[in-house]
Amino acid sequence: AQSVTQPDIHITVSEGASLELRCNYSYGATPYLFWYVQSPGQGLQLLLKYFSGDTLVQGIKGFEAEFKRSQSSFNLRKPSVHWSDAAEYFCAVGAGTASKLTFGTGTRLQVTL
Amino acid sequence: GAVVSQHPSWVICKSGTSVKIECRSLDFQATTMFWYRQFPKQSLMLMATSNEGSKATYEQGVEKDKFLINHASLTLSTLTVTSAHPEDSSFYICSGGGRSEQFFGPGTRLTVL
Repeated sequence: AQSVTQPDIHITVSEGASLELRCNYSYGATPYLFWYVQSPGQGLQLLLKYFSGDTLVQGIKGFEAEFKRSQSSFNLRKPSVHWSDAAEYFCAVGAGTASKLTFGTGTRLQVTL
Repeated sequence: GAVVSQHPSWVICKSGTSVKIECRSLDFQATTMFWYRQFPKQSLMLMATSNEGSKATYEQGVEKDKFLINHASLTLSTLTVTSAHPEDSSFYICSGGGRSEQFFGPGTRLTVL
């Protein structure tokens, strides 16, 4: 069975600073990997996804993630954080599909002005 | 992206009563939908797979007689929490979509007194 680990429960960054959220996964084959953002009172919004091909994936809102098979990682990055990026971020893995996702425990991002 | 709605967005009920939560795909048909449960400050845990026109598939440890799922049409899945107890208080989220992407509803917060 697949699993996801997000080592950082809470991260605080200053507005304009760069951001990296860590995600490690466990899955025997090539995983389907996702990053979602959850804001209070709103549903999960897909930031980006990786199935195959180029290991550097561009997403919405200026986010990107890099799939590193050797490290079983799929870290999320943004070069300059905006105050509106404050939210909960979830990494998820699907076993060959986007259905039936396994989520990490999430990282809460706080942005200071 | 596609839109998934949930109703109600929040509900408070007395212990022992039953509560029905609706999940609708507004602009696409969903033969399969998924129900997740999220405890405060924790990740989403898949509860069950809702299949249109057939029985739901429950994850290990989820009581199928307590969490009744009905998927009577291609745009509607319902989750009924029967004889609810305080420990059932949680945030319930549904999703629908396909093999390449899932779209999540905004969630329903259930509080059982």
